[in-house]
Amino acid sequence: DTGVSQNPRHKITKRGQNVTFRCDPISEHNRLYWYRQTLGQGPEFLTYFQNEAQLEKSRLLSDRFSAERPKGSFSTLEIQRTEQGDSAMYLCASSFEAEPQHFGDGTRLSIL
Amino acid sequence: GESVGLHLPTLSVQEGDNSIINCAYSNSASDYFIWYKQESGKGPQFIIDIRSNMDKRQGQRVTVLLNKTVKHLSLQIAATQPGDSAVYFCAERVGELTGGGNKLTFGTGTQLKVEL
Repeated sequence: DTGVSQNPRHKITKRGQNVTFRCDPISEHNRLYWYRQTLGQGPEFLTYFQNEAQLEKSRLLSDRFSAERPKGSFSTLEIQRTEQGDSAMYLCASSFEAEPQHFGDGTRLSIL
Repeated sequence: GESVGLHLPTLSVQEGDNSIINCAYSNSASDYFIWYKQESGKGPQFIIDIRSNMDKRQGQRVTVLLNKTVKHLSLQIAATQPGDSAVYFCAERVGELTGGGNKLTFGTGTQLKVEL
């Protein structure tokens, strides 16, 4: 499968715990994006990378959230001290330059 | 504020009929638009895109129409099939040359239900 891969698919954790998600983009895609989607809504932009540089961050991305793409390939999204409101689907997408973004199937986060 | 929205939250069509899903946008600086299909439990799947210098673009069984005068976008699906049942999102992007970055702004989606 050469699509965008996200792991884990589901994560259940207690409030206050830290979680980390991984995204492997389509190979040779230099841009990588993170979005968050809640039930019944469209995805909301969180941040994006061009190669290893994080070029834009949404105001939705509080200081409890951090994303990295250290070698310009896979990316991780970490949420520290999780809160109930963090429960959502976290989607990763990738593209080559400004071509269409292709999404993975997401990581569903549930906070107990 | 600037936003992308959909007129109809749910659209029911008979198998074999044509479907039209509408989308309104309000950011006049947007120069790129894209449609995604999302099935339950999966990520959005790219369908078709269009740049603001075009008013129509056709794909396989799908056509996107862009009316910049009234800031309206539509997705037409010909001969709708049961496999087309999903939520459809339109999204817009403000061009990088105008400082828009590369983020997509999504609407809330339309549920398409295909009845046999």
